[in-house]
Amino acid sequence: GAVVSQHPSWVICKSGTSVKIECRSLDFQATTMFWYRQFPKQSLMLMATSNEGSKATYEQGVEKDKFLINHASLTLSTLTVTSAHPEDSSFYICSAPRAGGHYEQYFGPGTRLTVT
Amino acid sequence: AQSVTQLGSHVSVSEGALVLLRCNYSSSVPPYLFWYVQYPNQGLQLLLKYTSAATLVKGINGFEAEFKKSETSFHLTKPSAHMSDAAEYFCAVRGGLSGNTPLVFGKGTRLSVIA
Repeated sequence: GAVVSQHPSWVICKSGTSVKIECRSLDFQATTMFWYRQFPKQSLMLMATSNEGSKATYEQGVEKDKFLINHASLTLSTLTVTSAHPEDSSFYICSAPRAGGHYEQYFGPGTRLTVT
Repeated sequence: AQSVTQLGSHVSVSEGALVLLRCNYSSSVPPYLFWYVQYPNQGLQLLLKYTSAATLVKGINGFEAEFKKSETSFHLTKPSAHMSDAAEYFCAVRGGLSGNTPLVFGKGTRLSVIA
């Protein structure tokens, strides 16, 4: 089946620094990718939709200047958490729908971010 | 807007017993429904999906789910629980008619299996 990877799988950073998370579709092209955030013992909440070649669209309440999304190619989307704070500590998961059939979505393994 | 409601944040069953995890959906368009499993500190694994074909959907690891339009339900079942089934389970609905729309997740149900 299709594979979506994320890098890094976990990262620890100091408060005030920025962290970049990569999401790659390894064997298919994705014009759209989705970024979710999952706090401990909670469900996945959509943060933003990443669109190749255009600006990302953010869900209500998500600061676009804090969570920078760049969909640089048909296989890569990046999420940069700028000026990270401890409350940004979370599990970040990306997904990509693959065209054809029922547009099944493929999820990355997630990135655990801890801000100290 | 599309949404799913998972009844019961925690379900506990004995090993070998029936597993039943409940999910009800609300959708303004024909729904595409999914069940995912998540083990601690891991990503999501697709168990099964309903895409308007057969109403009884069989998935991996012995799980199945039945789509009931009249009840707006998509409950997940497994005849005999195994210790390895202990995990968090999420029901999800596609957020729109287009295949390029994100999924909307339920709050999740934690399944415990008692030896």
